[in-house]
Amino acid sequence: EAGVTQFPSHSVIEKGQTVTLRCDPISGHDNLYWYRRVMGKEIKFLLHFVKESKQDESGMPNNRFLAERTGGTYSTLKVQPAELEDSGVYFCASSQDVGMNTEAFFGQGTRLTVV
Amino acid sequence: AQKITQTQPGMFVQEKEAVTLDCTYDTSDPSYGLFWYKQPSSGEMIFLIYQGSYDQQNATEGRYSLNFQKARKSANLVISASQLGDSAMYFCAMRIATGGGNKLTFGTGTQLKVEL
Repeated sequence: EAGVTQFPSHSVIEKGQTVTLRCDPISGHDNLYWYRRVMGKEIKFLLHFVKESKQDESGMPNNRFLAERTGGTYSTLKVQPAELEDSGVYFCASSQDVGMNTEAFFGQGTRLTVV
Repeated sequence: AQKITQTQPGMFVQEKEAVTLDCTYDTSDPSYGLFWYKQPSSGEMIFLIYQGSYDQQNATEGRYSLNFQKARKSANLVISASQLGDSAMYFCAMRIATGGGNKLTFGTGTQLKVEL
């Protein structure tokens, strides 16, 4: 069974440009999460999809970030226009269920560098 | 608001020795779950172990055990018989039952280096 896959693995863009990150969750997982780790800091929650609906987007930093999950399958996270402080590693995770002890399966992350 | 604190940015341990990675947490929710994840250099986050706040016994998974001290709000990860492949970043995380959605709150991580 394929795990959570993220594309690209690395991206270097200039300030002001647009970048789109993609996440393919494990097949059958209704729940999809985006997290971000800025260098040296904690991993922070961005948002949670249940199928195609945004269940919780309380962690999205500002309106330059747009997440979508068309058809409840893969998800994209677009940053437009990118700023220097957006640099970090963006993780996607998925889970079949929600619950206290539910394991979230993570992808390998996309390292975004804004220069 | 909930918070996870990992005070050890880096740790060294010799192969075959045991090592404890510290994690303290803060939440007012009486029902919560605590997780440890491992992130090797390849980047993916690997789930290691889970402890529920109402679990009576400390969780164990192979060479991993969680030293859960509820009164101290600590959930330290113990790795026994360290192996070179244990070298990685380790993250402690928490999920609360109410008002937190289903998200995980993470600490800043501990970089573990296993030496010969």
